[in-house]
Amino acid sequence: QKEVEQNSGPLSVPEGAIASLNCTYSDRGSQSFFWYRQYSGKSPELIMFIYSNGDKEDGRFTAQLNKASQYVSLLIRDSQPSDSATYLCASGGYQKVTFGTGTKLQVIP
Amino acid sequence: DTGVSQDPRHKITKRGQNVTFRCDPISEHNRLYWYRQTLGQGPEFLTYFQNEAQLEKSRLLSDRFSAERPKGSFSTLEIQRTEQGDSAMYLCASSRQGESPLHFGNGTRLTVT
Repeated sequence: QKEVEQNSGPLSVPEGAIASLNCTYSDRGSQSFFWYRQYSGKSPELIMFIYSNGDKEDGRFTAQLNKASQYVSLLIRDSQPSDSATYLCASGGYQKVTFGTGTKLQVIP
Repeated sequence: DTGVSQDPRHKITKRGQNVTFRCDPISEHNRLYWYRQTLGQGPEFLTYFQNEAQLEKSRLLSDRFSAERPKGSFSTLEIQRTEQGDSAMYLCASSRQGESPLHFGNGTRLTVT
């Protein structure tokens, strides 16, 4: 079992819709959770981080964490074609940070 | 904050040669991580440092790979006797503390011919 699991996609949504990206993790000791965006050929770019159960909002992005279910999600409202990228979920704590394989998002104009 | 810097950006080498990559983290960051990423995969953990101490090295990493962070500042990753399977993007990242977000450099793309 991988430590962080994501559906590889692609996830296709029309422009202006809400994109919902999901992630599960296996290490119950994980304390911190991150979402990164990665464009083709580029390095990962931090979008959101969340440490506590519940929702955290930043502009068009909302991260959701449910530690009991070991589940993290990212919602992107009013999706734009420029949001088309691979979204990486990562978990960590006092030790290493582990990444999922990423979900490819395609926003259709 | 000048960001994480990696050098070189690209490296082409012949199988069997040794290569060394350098990473300069954000200056106030204590943690430094190395990852490897191949097409269609997420970053794969290689190793990480807290200051100059190497705290963990992936079990998947062969003895051909070694990393150092001698003074707790920049780090080097060396691959000895390169193989074609080593072709990948090598990413360096740094963070303030264990729970803090990672900030990535632009990566070093290695091609082994």
